[in-house]
Amino acid sequence: SQTIHQWPATLVQPVGSPLSLECTVEGTSNPNLYWYRQAAGRGLQLLFYSVGIGQISSEVPQNLSASRPQDRQFILSSKKLLLSDSGFYLCAWRRQMNTEAFFGQGTRLTVV
Amino acid sequence: GIQVEQSPPDLILQEGANSTLRCNFSDSVNNLQWFHQNPWGQLINLFYIPSGTKQNGRLSATTVATERYSLLYISSSQTTDSGVYFCAVGADTNAGKSTFGDGTTLTVKP
Repeated sequence: SQTIHQWPATLVQPVGSPLSLECTVEGTSNPNLYWYRQAAGRGLQLLFYSVGIGQISSEVPQNLSASRPQDRQFILSSKKLLLSDSGFYLCAWRRQMNTEAFFGQGTRLTVV
Repeated sequence: GIQVEQSPPDLILQEGANSTLRCNFSDSVNNLQWFHQNPWGQLINLFYIPSGTKQNGRLSATTVATERYSLLYISSSQTTDSGVYFCAVGADTNAGKSTFGDGTTLTVKP
């Protein structure tokens, strides 16, 4: 069966520090991968998606970047965190465009 | 892009009551999911339902794609049903991206 791993679960980082969040999917190949962010009391906002290795599309301009160095690995990064980067970040995958999406457990990031 | 509106934003029920949550969307969609977000933030898949009706235990969902809405029914609610329910929709020309509504926060009191 397929599983998605996301880590760390919580993270407190100072303003100006770098960020690297990792997401790994097991049990499938060539998944579509997504990074979402959830602000308090709101729905999820899509940040990046990838349909293949090295293929990254950005949905909103921001201080973050994403990379897909391997088929089942998706990384969210920042060179210098801002206070506004705080939030709940979730990684997701789906097998094809119009199939069910599955989410990781999320990373709660607090920038101080 | 697609707009998604969920109603009501908040719902408080007594244990054992039934409820209906609604999701309206502004354009044609080819994928639609309902999720339950638990207190720890985990998104739990309830239904993948771009059209038609599905049932799973006390929960059922109906999507009327031609009228651009979906309904989630919860019967005989339990305290463990509390949390936020999200509807997420997408169209097949966008690499499977999903647009989320702002959710319905359900509180079930014992």
